[in-house]
Amino acid sequence: KAGVTQTPRYLIKTRGQQVTLSCSPISGHRSVSWYQQTPGQGLQFLFEYFSETQRNKGNFPGRFSGRQFSNSRSEMNVSTLELGDSALYLCASSFQDLAVGETQYFGPGTRLLVL
Amino acid sequence: DAKTTQPTSMDCAEGRAANLPCNHSTISGNEYVYWYRQIHSQGPQYIIHGLKNNETNEMASLIITEDRKSSTLILPHATLRDTAVYYCIVRSNSGSARQLTFGSGTQLTVLP
Repeated sequence: KAGVTQTPRYLIKTRGQQVTLSCSPISGHRSVSWYQQTPGQGLQFLFEYFSETQRNKGNFPGRFSGRQFSNSRSEMNVSTLELGDSALYLCASSFQDLAVGETQYFGPGTRLLVL
Repeated sequence: DAKTTQPTSMDCAEGRAANLPCNHSTISGNEYVYWYRQIHSQGPQYIIHGLKNNETNEMASLIITEDRKSSTLILPHATLRDTAVYYCIVRSNSGSARQLTFGSGTQLTVLP
């Protein structure tokens, strides 16, 4: 069974631009969560989508948004990029939503560099 | 979720067993112990999880003490590719959303 895939793997943007990242979960998984990982802050939860609905949201500004499609694929959008948005963005999928405590499986991540 | 404590770093000789400890003294009854690892700049990889019984899969074994206050991840025959940061996480299986929270983890270096 194929794992979680994320595209693109690397991205360079400039301040003020916006970016869209994509995640395809493991086949059959309906929950997709997004995390931001930086050396200083570690792994931080952005949000979770389950059955096209945002179930939970972390403590990030409204510039960070996402959506999930009927095939469970998810996209994350960051508008008005700031230098501090440079990070590894990770997508994780699980069969059920996070409240059930299902094991999450991560993708390889998208490395975003904001100049 | 309960807090975990892990050593900052460990070395292990290639071919030997790597034993990675984790303390979780405030763990509660419905909390599982999860282990993930992350090779530099890649996504975290799920290894194993358990509640109170010892668990084994193709990657590793998880030994949880009887009082559940600590656990040990065992990689039976470490290879150079096992060099990574290993994260021990305690996570409930019910209630409100249980997103993963990684601590600092243990940097395991497998030496040739």
